[in-house]
Amino acid sequence: DIVMTQTPLSLSVTPGQPASISCKSSQSLLHSDGKTYLSWYLQKPGQSPQLLIYEVSSRFSGVPDSFSGSGSGTDFTLKISRVEAEDVGVYYCTQGLHLPRTFGQGTKVEIK
Amino acid sequence: QVELVQSGAEVKKPGASVKVSCKASGYSFTSHYMHWVRQAPGQGLEWMGIINPSGDSTNYAQKFQGRFTMTRDTSTSTLYMELSSLRPEDTAVYYCARELPKTLDYWGQGTLVTVSS
Repeated sequence: DIVMTQTPLSLSVTPGQPASISCKSSQSLLHSDGKTYLSWYLQKPGQSPQLLIYEVSSRFSGVPDSFSGSGSGTDFTLKISRVEAEDVGVYYCTQGLHLPRTFGQGTKVEIK
Repeated sequence: QVELVQSGAEVKKPGASVKVSCKASGYSFTSHYMHWVRQAPGQGLEWMGIINPSGDSTNYAQKFQGRFTMTRDTSTSTLYMELSSLRPEDTAVYYCARELPKTLDYWGQGTLVTVSS
């Protein structure tokens, strides 16, 4: 199984400041079709996970441009350019390359 | 708009089975793979399985093999999961989710299953 490792596991951010979360996979997520299947989700308190970013850097419908994804191979980053109160929750990375689908442990983001 | 509406919370005794439904609307149900993912209290996300659009092919996580079944009814656009031989550690919120592909774009609201004697 592909192991997904996120750092840090928690983050306290001042509103308006940037934040960054790292995700590393135990093997390359590059598919033979040329796409890399790494996604990011945000699970707000008491809610279902919601898709933010797919294929490393594509923002899902309705996701603000304050969220961006980057990376390749096994190393990926989610960046929030200016953290707002509504961005609090747990962020997960996941791989879509192979079954079983696997998730990172989650990164809890809170506001200072 | 895409919507996945799951059945209500369940309380089961150890050894029992539970069946959870997920009714899809707002898109062509037979065009997408579907998944189940669960989340134990205070824990992360755990993938359980996937079913193809026609419902004749499934793939389950190793740890659930033998006691987990996914089915879908295309006539009612409803996805189902059944987990048998329940144990207290199966207490979790169970989510259905649609495949984009290669990612899960829409999720149900979750169904809490509590296993307690």
